[in-house]
Amino acid sequence: DAGVTQSPTHLIKTRGQQVTLRCSPKSGHDTVSWYQQALGQGPQFIFQYYEEEERQRGNFPDRFSGHQFPNYSSELNVNALLLGDSALYLCASSPPLAFTDTQYFGPGTRLTVL
Amino acid sequence: QQQVKQSPQSLIVQKGGISIINCAYENTAFDYFPWYQQFPGKGPALLIAIRPDVSEKKEGRFTISFNKSAKQFSLHIMDSQPGDSATYFCAANPRGNQFYFGTGTSLTVIP
Repeated sequence: DAGVTQSPTHLIKTRGQQVTLRCSPKSGHDTVSWYQQALGQGPQFIFQYYEEEERQRGNFPDRFSGHQFPNYSSELNVNALLLGDSALYLCASSPPLAFTDTQYFGPGTRLTVL
Repeated sequence: QQQVKQSPQSLIVQKGGISIINCAYENTAFDYFPWYQQFPGKGPALLIAIRPDVSEKKEGRFTISFNKSAKQFSLHIMDSQPGDSATYFCAANPRGNQFYFGTGTSLTVIP
């Protein structure tokens, strides 16, 4: 059984560009959350998707947007990239009815903004 | 404002020793407290979790102690092994809402 998968593994962009990160949840999971983890810090909640809708959002600007597809996979889009957006972006999935109590993380996408 | 405060930032323990990491919170709405282990280049992996209706939970060498009145919880790793060397994060969330993570503790277990 594959766990949470994310692509790409690494990504290098320049300031002002746009980026799309992808996540496939663990089999049987229907809820996807995205986190930003800066170097040496704990993950910070960006938003959560359930039934193809953004269910909750953390303290991140509108430059961060997402989408969930009918197969529960998800995308994170970041527009107008800033140097401060350089981080590890983590996707976490949760099983049905568990809301956010049980989360399984993927390996992350390392984004570097130059 | 950091919702969950974690200490120490780093910890060095001899093989076979006990590793203790502490976390504190203020929000009394939090009702789920997990601990995650993260190796370099990997995502966090759920280790053990507790709800505030119990004061202690043990799974193998890992134990969570929870003090509801003090709003503190801690992770104890018994018989620490070099393979336990990783970064550990505590977290908390109010049911059905976002997780708040601590800033992490880098644990090194010396052979």
